[in-house]
Amino acid sequence: EPEVTQTPSHQVTQMGQEVILRCVPISNHLYFYWYRQILGQKVEFLVSFYNNEISEKSEIFDDQFSVERPDGSNFTLKIRSTKLEDSAMYFCASRPGQGHSPLHFGNGTRLTVT
Amino acid sequence: DQQVKQNSPSLSVQEGRISILNCDYTNSMFDYFLWYKKYPAEGPTFLISISSIKDKNEDGRFTVFLNKSAKHLSLHIVPSQPGDSAVYFCAASEGNNAGNMLTFGGGTRLMVKP
Repeated sequence: EPEVTQTPSHQVTQMGQEVILRCVPISNHLYFYWYRQILGQKVEFLVSFYNNEISEKSEIFDDQFSVERPDGSNFTLKIRSTKLEDSAMYFCASRPGQGHSPLHFGNGTRLTVT
Repeated sequence: DQQVKQNSPSLSVQEGRISILNCDYTNSMFDYFLWYKKYPAEGPTFLISISSIKDKNEDGRFTVFLNKSAKHLSLHIVPSQPGDSAVYFCAASEGNNAGNMLTFGGGTRLMVKP
């Protein structure tokens, strides 16, 4: 069964550094998402992406965050200047098309900011 | 913002018995509801969903019930198996829009004892 893949599985970075989290969504999917889960807290929506542009973003997704689909397969989340509170699991997700359909999630990247 | 709430952080049941996980929501615009299962170090895995035009959806051992007037949904697992032990999240989305972001509950940890 096709799946969403995320790399790396764990990223450690120093405060103030830039990080890029990478995702390969399922190939025929059209909608892409980033969510995060801070330890002990809820899974929170960050951003959705469709047709090469952001379709929705949450209050968390401020100017420090950006997303990109640089080619036909990768979908990236960049954090420009990481803060301690950015430490979390970051999940990429995708779904096939318009209308109600479930999101398929990757296994996440654990980001640790020191 | 607690639009989706799972009031039981944990639930323990005996193998073979029924597991009932509950979820409440406040946003009357939600029209699509999902249950995800999550194992440690993995992303959420889609289990079952229900549209607001239905009050029940069944898939094998899993049944989701929706009570729109009470803004309540539940997931029934019968019979429960030790492999069902995981954290279960309910999620909801609003409208048929391109973003289709999911709002998650806080999760319920299910432990099925052999």
